[in-house]
Amino acid sequence: KAGVTQTPRYLIKTRGQQVTLSCSPISGHRSVSWYQQTPGQGLQFLFEYFSETQRNKGNFPGRFSGRQFSNSRSEMNVSTLELGDSALYLCASSLGANTEAFFGQGTRLTVV
Amino acid sequence: LAKTTQPISMDSYEGQEVNITCSHNNIATNDYITWYQQFPSQGPRFIIQGYKTKVTNEVASLFIPADRKSSTLSLPRVSLSDTAVYYCLVMAGNNRKLIWGLGTSLAVNP
Repeated sequence: KAGVTQTPRYLIKTRGQQVTLSCSPISGHRSVSWYQQTPGQGLQFLFEYFSETQRNKGNFPGRFSGRQFSNSRSEMNVSTLELGDSALYLCASSLGANTEAFFGQGTRLTVV
Repeated sequence: LAKTTQPISMDSYEGQEVNITCSHNNIATNDYITWYQQFPSQGPRFIIQGYKTKVTNEVASLFIPADRKSSTLSLPRVSLSDTAVYYCLVMAGNNRKLIWGLGTSLAVNP
């Protein structure tokens, strides 16, 4: 079966712009989590959605937001981009609580 | 949320057994211990998960002592393709607010 698909794979944006990243989870998975990965900070949890509801949220500013659709696909949006937002953004899907999380290949965002 | 501590880096040679230890002193009763592997520019990949004692699958073993304050990932006979970053995570129930450290960067040399 198909894995977690993230689009686009690479993105270059200018400071001040906004960006939307997409994640299609594995079929049947209702939980989608988003993470930001930078060389110095490692993976940091952004938020998790389950059945279209945000279930958990990390410590990121309000510029970072997300949503989940009825088909479990999820999007995350970052507004007013800053240079420090340059990172690999990873999406993970799972069946539910305490089950194995499957990650996509990520979207590499570069803010210039 | 339980925090984990693991070595920043390790070196090994092909064919050797590699043991990576992770400390999680404030692990809670309903926490599971999970290990992931990550190659550059790819998402992490699940390796193994356990609650107590020993768990073994086709790629690794996970040893968890009775107090569960630490765990050891054992990779038997590593190859060059095992060069990656390995993350130890403690995850409880439906709380996906996982704390990921910087992981252990394992370098396998020929």
